[in-house]
Amino acid sequence: GDSVTQTEGPVTVSESESLIINCTYSATSIAYPNLFWYVRYPGEGLQLLLKVITAGQKGSSRGFEATYNKETTSFHLQKASVQESDSAVYYCALGDHYGSSGNKLIFGIGTLLSVKP
Amino acid sequence: GALVYQYPRRTICKSGTSMRMECQAVGFQATSVAWYRQSPQKTFELIALSTVNSAIKYEQNFTQEKFPISHPNLSFSSMTVLNAYLEDRGLYLCGAREGNSGNTLYFGEGSRLIVV
Repeated sequence: GDSVTQTEGPVTVSESESLIINCTYSATSIAYPNLFWYVRYPGEGLQLLLKVITAGQKGSSRGFEATYNKETTSFHLQKASVQESDSAVYYCALGDHYGSSGNKLIFGIGTLLSVKP
Repeated sequence: GALVYQYPRRTICKSGTSMRMECQAVGFQATSVAWYRQSPQKTFELIALSTVNSAIKYEQNFTQEKFPISHPNLSFSSMTVLNAYLEDRGLYLCGAREGNSGNTLYFGEGSRLIVV
């Protein structure tokens, strides 16, 4: 079936350290998979961090990057130097591209990131 | 920009009673709305997809009888949790999308349901 597996948290890193949160997916019934990273900061709603709709492409936002790798079915989230304000829960998600089924996102379990000052 | 507001943010209801939550899209036309639930210790799970002028499509394990949804126009949707019990507690998210192809899903902050 369709599923998303990501790094189980909590993940704790120190400020200015590098970060990688792993995400792999299985898209057996989705013809045109799109991949997303959503973030939920404390006390706020779920926000789109970045998305990539084409295999081989890289998305970036707020210093975060993720590359859509179809060969390894991965979409790992990376940042070279984290800040305390990056502390949040990060969700990797898989969706379809076309039609009303594009509303159906399959989420990973979420990774709680804590950045220590 | 595109924003989605949900109301109420948090509700405590007695077991067996019902809770209605609302979702308002601002700055765009919400042709499609998806309702998700995040139960304790779990990830977000799709309840149903609603597209204006089309039938609402419920996922397995969720029914219209339990989670009736209204999507009367391009800016508003509501969902009710009928006869709420402990297993219904969690964070309910509304995600709205404009158009029908590859656009981003914008989420509200969620309505948290606590059942006592």
